[in-house]
Amino acid sequence: DQQVKQNSPSLSVQEGRISILNCDYTNSMFDYFLWYKKYPAEGPTFLISISSIKDKNEDGRFTVFLNKSAKHLSLHIVPSQPGDSAVYFCAAISRKKETSGSRLTFGEGTQLTVNP
Amino acid sequence: DVKVTQSSRYLVKRTGEKVFLECVQDMDHENMFWYRQDPGLGLRLIYFSYDVKMKEKGDIPEGYSVSREKKERFSLILESASTNQTSMYLCATYTNYGYTFGSGTRLTVV
Repeated sequence: DQQVKQNSPSLSVQEGRISILNCDYTNSMFDYFLWYKKYPAEGPTFLISISSIKDKNEDGRFTVFLNKSAKHLSLHIVPSQPGDSAVYFCAAISRKKETSGSRLTFGEGTQLTVNP
Repeated sequence: DVKVTQSSRYLVKRTGEKVFLECVQDMDHENMFWYRQDPGLGLRLIYFSYDVKMKEKGDIPEGYSVSREKKERFSLILESASTNQTSMYLCATYTNYGYTFGSGTRLTVV
């Protein structure tokens, strides 16, 4: 049962335009969501997060939007830069669960390519 | 900043060998995780540990075991390596509702 899904395996955009990466989840217990960025041959690095009590969080060029009723979140990157080319993973966690071992559930990832 | 160190960046092993992947964190965190990353499959949890000598199976534990004798070190063991275990292996520790990952170990089993 895939509780976090990223339905687009890849996305290609032009430099300077907006990149929108999407993520859907099914578990209504999730209350905190994160995006990670991964370059080849490196570990994922944290990018941005959002709590379920918010619907938007912004950090520079990166904004995450959360629609709880639709169980959907999206990551907007604007303007996109060639250095943003990487795999982006969406992740979710329920902080209320005492026995989860602080376990994140990840999506499949989306390969973003930003063309110069 | 939390530092998570994986002992090897690249490994090549033969089928049937016993393989040890080591991970060390420097912040005395309780929760540690081993994932593998494969194209199109995302990050899949192999095992995790929330304390010394404690371990829990993740989603794909078959063919693997783990060891946590000290809080800072979490080892992943491939008892008898097979070609379908060729993958990128990632260790992580839990910090402030998120993970810090190591740099990963690219394991190739031939």
